Amino acid sequence: KQEVTQIPAALSVPEGENLVLNCSFTDSAIYNLQWFRQDPGKGLTSLLLIQSSQREQTSGRLNASLDKSSGRSTLYIAASQPGDSATYLCAVDRRGNTPLVFGKGTRLSVIA
Amino acid sequence: DARVTQTPRHKVTEMGQEVTMRCQPILGHNTVFWYRQTMMQGLELLAYFRNRAPLDDSGMPKDRFSAEMPDATLATLKIQPSEPRDSAVYFCASGLVLVSTGELFFGEGSRLTVL
Repeated sequence: KQEVTQIPAALSVPEGENLVLNCSFTDSAIYNLQWFRQDPGKGLTSLLLIQSSQREQTSGRLNASLDKSSGRSTLYIAASQPGDSATYLCAVDRRGNTPLVFGKGTRLSVIA
Repeated sequence: DARVTQTPRHKVTEMGQEVTMRCQPILGHNTVFWYRQTMMQGLELLAYFRNRAPLDDSGMPKDRFSAEMPDATLATLKIQPSEPRDSAVYFCASGLVLVSTGELFFGEGSRLTVL
């Protein structure tokens, strides 16, 4: 059974810092890995999707990398801003149209 | 602006009452998922449908939960009878699933409190 772990559970940083969020998964036979953002009281918004053939994806100040063999992904946020404060979740699926399995998220606070 | 719509956004009910949550997926999406989110367990998959057919509902307590998709524009999740341990946020998500899940779009959730 796939298990997804995110460390740390919570992180507080001053504005302007570059930071890294970590995601690990137990079964390396994944197909896609996605990073989501969740604001308090809201649903999840997809940030980046890394397909199995890719090693990383970038969107603006966000960069996500994937190392399937080691079962790890990182989300790098450059020049953090207070508006980046949210919970970030990663999720993986397998080939064959299986549902996403989610980690419990990292709650990020960026202090102005 | 296409989005997944869930109703109600908030529901407070007493133990033993029936609760129905509704979801309107994005038009053209072929797969609908129901997830439950709690502080302790995080996001758990309850059930999902592809082209309106149920594919997996093993995450649901069968004796009290039921999920249906009567047409392409409506998915429902029903709890009868509700219990305090059912208190959680219930999310519906939809996506166009081909070879793999692809990008998922989530609704804003239905926050359920069972007293």
